[in-house]
Amino acid sequence: AQSVTQPDIHITVSEGASLELRCNYSYGATPYLFWYVQSPGQGLQLLLKYFSGDTLVQGIKGFEAEFKRSQSSFNLRKPSVHWSDAAEYFCAVAKGNSGTYKYIFGTGTRLKVLA
Amino acid sequence: NAGVTQTPKFQVLKTGQSMTLQCAQDMNHEYMSWYRQDPGMGLRLIHYSVGAGITDQGEVPNGYNVSRSTTEDFPLRLLSAAPSQTSVYFCASSYKRGPHTGELFFGEGSRLTVL
Repeated sequence: AQSVTQPDIHITVSEGASLELRCNYSYGATPYLFWYVQSPGQGLQLLLKYFSGDTLVQGIKGFEAEFKRSQSSFNLRKPSVHWSDAAEYFCAVAKGNSGTYKYIFGTGTRLKVLA
Repeated sequence: NAGVTQTPKFQVLKTGQSMTLQCAQDMNHEYMSWYRQDPGMGLRLIHYSVGAGITDQGEVPNGYNVSRSTTEDFPLRLLSAAPSQTSVYFCASSYKRGPHTGELFFGEGSRLTVL
């Protein structure tokens, strides 16, 4: 069965520090991979996605993620965190064809940013 | 464009009552889905639809019904509410074709409490 693991439930970083959020997936084929961000009381917003091609993908708000097939990972990174990045981050994988997708989400990582 | 609109935003029910959570999107998305979000469990797929007249079960379908009579609307029905259904519910939709295929667009959520 396909699954998504985010091993860190909470992460705290200082403003200006670098950030890496981990995501591992278990899936038999090359999945579609996503990172979403959820601010308090809000819905989820797409940060970036990987479908194929270049394994380093750039997203909004200065985030990037790298797909590593050998490690079944899709870690999210940001070189310098801003206080406004405090939120919950979800990794997701999607299986499907012709748009018949089933999405599996990780349990999320809550990011706290210290001033 | 309004995007994905969910109503109501908040609802309190008594055990055994029924209700419908409404979801509408104005982006002509073929794919629509319902998730529930519970602390420490991420988002879990309840039901999804790949087009009008077509629905299918997700990970946690028990206690919920859906229908898709139009492309725009995808209501979620709780037939006999139980305290275990206390959660935040998100509707999400997606294109099936084109450059944004697979990207989920989320509503702002509906917080349901069952007493």
